[in-house]
Amino acid sequence: DVKVTQSSRYLVKRTGEKVFLECVQDMDHENMFWYRQDPGLGLRLIYFSYDVKMKEKGDIPEGYSVSREKKERFSLILESASTNQTSMYLCASSFARQYEQYFGPGTRLTVT
Amino acid sequence: QKEVEQNSGPLSVPEGAIASLNCTYSDRGSQSFFWYRQYSGKSPELIMSIYSNGDKEDGRFTAQLNKASQYVSLLIRDSQPSDSATYLCAVNVGGGFKTIFGAGTRLFVKA
Repeated sequence: DVKVTQSSRYLVKRTGEKVFLECVQDMDHENMFWYRQDPGLGLRLIYFSYDVKMKEKGDIPEGYSVSREKKERFSLILESASTNQTSMYLCASSFARQYEQYFGPGTRLTVT
Repeated sequence: QKEVEQNSGPLSVPEGAIASLNCTYSDRGSQSFFWYRQYSGKSPELIMSIYSNGDKEDGRFTAQLNKASQYVSLLIRDSQPSDSATYLCAVNVGGGFKTIFGAGTRLFVKA
């Protein structure tokens, strides 16, 4: 079974803090993704990575950065958290030429 | 802007009925299509993928694809209360890494 884990299920941070969300997958997947999910807006892609140290911007990269130093690990960084970044953050992974994505449990981030 | 459109619902069906969920997409070049199920408070779970025109069956689930009409559907036969969830349609765009998700259709199966 594919296992994608995320560092926290719930997180509360203050405006202006630097926030790290970590995702680890154990299936040797090449691709990894970060999404945020908001009511009525569905899943929106923030960043994705198709290889170690490679990254591509998604639809809403502003205010976020990512890091992928190892194949199994993909980190999302909020440089200076703002209240409009309060959301559910979902990590996913997939094999290189297969597009079925497997999701982690999600991190519900609240920025106050 | 490439889009995936779904009726947000809620769609309510009685137990044992067929639930029909629909999705349209805008990118004519899309080749890969997926249905995910998401229970309240949980993350999406892949339940079906379809790549060719026609029907694909897996247990009580049937995915249908019509590329000419840019239309994907999911049929759930013998619906159960445990099928109550939000169903997300997803489309891989441009043959690359990017997948666009619809906002989802909420399904309620009444016992």
